[in-house]
Amino acid sequence: EIVMTQSPATLSVSPGARATLSCRASQNVSSNLAWSQQKLGQAPRLLIYSASTRATGIPARFSGSGSGTEFTLTISSLQSEDFAVYYCQQYNNWPLTFGGGTKVEIK
Amino acid sequence: EVQLVQSGAEVKKPGESLKISCKGSAYSFTSYWIGWVRQMPGKGLELMGLIYPGDSDTRYSPSFQGQVTISADKSINTAYLQWSSLKASDSAIYYCARVAFGSAYCDYWGQGTLVTVSS
Repeated sequence: EIVMTQSPATLSVSPGARATLSCRASQNVSSNLAWSQQKLGQAPRLLIYSASTRATGIPARFSGSGSGTEFTLTISSLQSEDFAVYYCQQYNNWPLTFGGGTKVEIK
Repeated sequence: EVQLVQSGAEVKKPGESLKISCKGSAYSFTSYWIGWVRQMPGKGLELMGLIYPGDSDTRYSPSFQGQVTISADKSINTAYLQWSSLKASDSAIYYCARVAFGSAYCDYWGQGTLVTVSS
């Protein structure tokens, strides 16, 4: 099973600042990596797939990069609605696995 | 608009059985895999398994094999997750999610079903 490790566990950021979230895979997952956002009390929402493609309706301030085992989600200028938990998911190998999440909180 | 609507919250006792549902709309239900994802209190996301409603092909993540049963009724665009004998450790929010066509990431999610198992 591929283990996905996200860091940091919690990221404290001021509104308007840039946030950089990391996700590492225990094996090569090529570009088969997605990012989702989960706000408190809500279902997850897809942000990014294929490591760098924004899902429909996702603002341009969200961007993804990386391939192989190292991936990054960048939020260029944090808005109030972006404070949430972010999960990466690999879909290169079965079973599909998620990272443990990064909580982005207000500094 | 693609929608996945899940059944309501459940409160059960240990040892009881349970079946929760996920109804898809505004897309071809038989052409996309549906996944079930567990989120235990305060924890992350775990994929339990997938089903392809078109032919009921089902895959289980190793941790969940034998613990739950995933099924679907394509005549009513509904997928199911069921337990034959619940344990307290099954208390969690369960999400269904559509798996993107030709890929394997979850592109649309249901609202979640809270399952509480307590004596």
